[in-house]
Amino acid sequence: DGGITQSPKYLFRKEGQNVTLSCEQNLNHDAMYWYRQDPGQGLRLIYYSQIVNDFQKGDIAEGYSVSREKKESFPLTVTSAQKNPTAFYLCASSISPFANEQYFGPGTRLTVT
Amino acid sequence: QQPVQSPQAVILREGEDAVINCSSSKALYSVHWYRQKHGEAPVFLMILLKGGEQKGHDKISASFNEKKQQSSLYLTASQLSYSGTYFCGTEDGDYKLSFGAGTTVTVRA
Repeated sequence: DGGITQSPKYLFRKEGQNVTLSCEQNLNHDAMYWYRQDPGQGLRLIYYSQIVNDFQKGDIAEGYSVSREKKESFPLTVTSAQKNPTAFYLCASSISPFANEQYFGPGTRLTVT
Repeated sequence: QQPVQSPQAVILREGEDAVINCSSSKALYSVHWYRQKHGEAPVFLMILLKGGEQKGHDKISASFNEKKQQSSLYLTASQLSYSGTYFCGTEDGDYKLSFGAGTTVTVRA
């Protein structure tokens, strides 16, 4: 079955620690995206990648980093510089960057205390 | 810049209709609509491309007025399964979507 997997579903960390969220897709999609979702604020774009070995900052990139070394993988690191990291994180992919349906993974709920 | 969605929330009885609006201050190439159930990932409903095309998906349809940079989602003869939060995502040519804050739809029997 093709799709996007994110792991883990729930993640707990202490303040000051970096944490990496996994995102893998087997849809052979070129474009991948990371979104953050907070209650009442919809989806906000953190980083996106149109093709392997390339990525761009989204609207709220500060305190986050990504890599895109393989087409199927787009991990997100939440660094200690992110002031308010507790949120629901969604990864998505699309066949190409322009005007195409985005497929979303099940999400990772990160809690930092 | 995030598009503006209205209303924030709507409560319907089964069989009633509703309209959700999405407007942007930028010229748009496309508008996407997604529905998210509580605790789940958003699910794609439809894309509307520049050209004012109207699309439909079962009894959910949408229109796109590119001159006004607005899109509307129409829920017709609503069913219990229509409950969820609806998001519009707008694309202004830079290959990424900006999502609205969402409209929560509750359909009651």
